[in-house]
This record gives sequence, structure tokens and C-alpha cells, in this order.
Amino acid sequence: GENVEQHPSTLSVQEGDSAVIKCTYSDSASNYFPWYKQELGKRPQLIIDIRSNVGEKKDQRIAVTLNKTAKHFSLHITETQPEDSAVYFCAASGGSYIPTFGRGTSLIVHP
Amino acid sequence: DTAVSQTPKYLVTQMGNDKSIKCEQNLGHDTMYWYKQDSKKFLKIMFSYNNKELIINETVPNRFSPKSPDKAHLNLHINSLELGDSAVYFCASSPGIAGGGEQFFGPGTRLTVL
Repeated sequence: GENVEQHPSTLSVQEGDSAVIKCTYSDSASNYFPWYKQELGKRPQLIIDIRSNVGEKKDQRIAVTLNKTAKHFSLHITETQPEDSAVYFCAASGGSYIPTFGRGTSLIVHP
Repeated sequence: DTAVSQTPKYLVTQMGNDKSIKCEQNLGHDTMYWYKQDSKKFLKIMFSYNNKELIINETVPNRFSPKSPDKAHLNLHINSLELGDSAVYFCASSPGIAGGGEQFFGPGTRLTVL
């Protein structure tokens, strides 16, 4: 089955800095790669996603890149703000119909 | 106009009891899921149903039994609760049978087993 590795597990940055979270996947049949943000005590919510026919996607301060050959994808957040502090999950799906989540990255943005 | 709703939000119970969590979605989605999120925040899929039919049953003790009376509802019944069952349980739905679509999560049910 699919295996998704996510790094780092914790990321601490100063407000205004950039943050990058990386994920690798194992199933070459995976074709959908979403990122979810989970604020403390809340539900995970989709913030951006990318499909395997696209290499990069951007939405304001967040962007996702995908390297199908290397089977890795990354989340980039620029000009971080304290409200970006949350746990971020990557996921991969499409091959076996089971969405597989990474173990999460706790992002802390210091004012 | 809540998209995915769960009840109850909090559940505190004694070991050995039986409890149920209910989930409903009004998005018209075909597929619904149950996830368990432990204290380390890991999101582990437990079950998935498509149009009332079970399509995924990950390695979960058979004390956990999902039931889908119709495609808008997926309930989770847990027998003989154990301390290790304490976690947040999320229901979710997505548009199609394939995992290649956004997961819409419910607000979660925090289960505490004493």
C-alpha cells in the first residue's frame, strides 16, 4: 500500500519567514496530493491540492510543488503569520483509493 | 447548513461500556470515512463506505462496527471500550469512491475512556 513520509515533525519560524514542509510517497499510481491544516481543537481543512499532471500550484502565500519522478511534494508558505500556526498534513491517494496521510508537521510562527 | 456533522462532540465513559458516534453529511457525497486521531495527532483511517457499502476496513479491532443506513449517514459503534480507545474520532466525506478528492471532515468527537 501507499506510504507517506512527512518532515519535519515540528517547524518553528519567525513571523515573516518562509516555511517548507516536505512529503514523500511510495505508490507511483498516486495522482492526488492534498494538504490539510488543522488548528488546535478544530477539524482538518483542505488548504491546497495538486494533481499529478501539474508540477506547481500557488494560492496567495501558499504553494505546492510536485516531483513525480522523485515521488515527493512540498508545501511552501511565504511571509508566515501567527495565524499560520497549526498542524499541517500531507496526503496521497488515487492508486488504491485509500487516502494516506503523513504524520503531520506542527508549525509554530513566533510574532 | 453544516456540511459534515457529528454527535456527540465529547464522550466520557467507563471502560467496558458500549457507545456510538453518529455522523451525517449533506453534501451529496458518495463516500464516507471514519478516522482516529491519537494524542500524537496521527490521522489513521479506520473505515470507508461508498453508497452504504463497506470498501475499506483497515486493521481495526472488531469491537468497532460501522453502520451506514443510507449514503448520508455513517455511524460508529464501539463495544467494550478500552483505555486505548481514547482519541478524537473524525468522520469525513468525499465526492467519489476514489481517494482522489478532497476530504470534508466533521468537527470530531473527543472520546475519553476512564
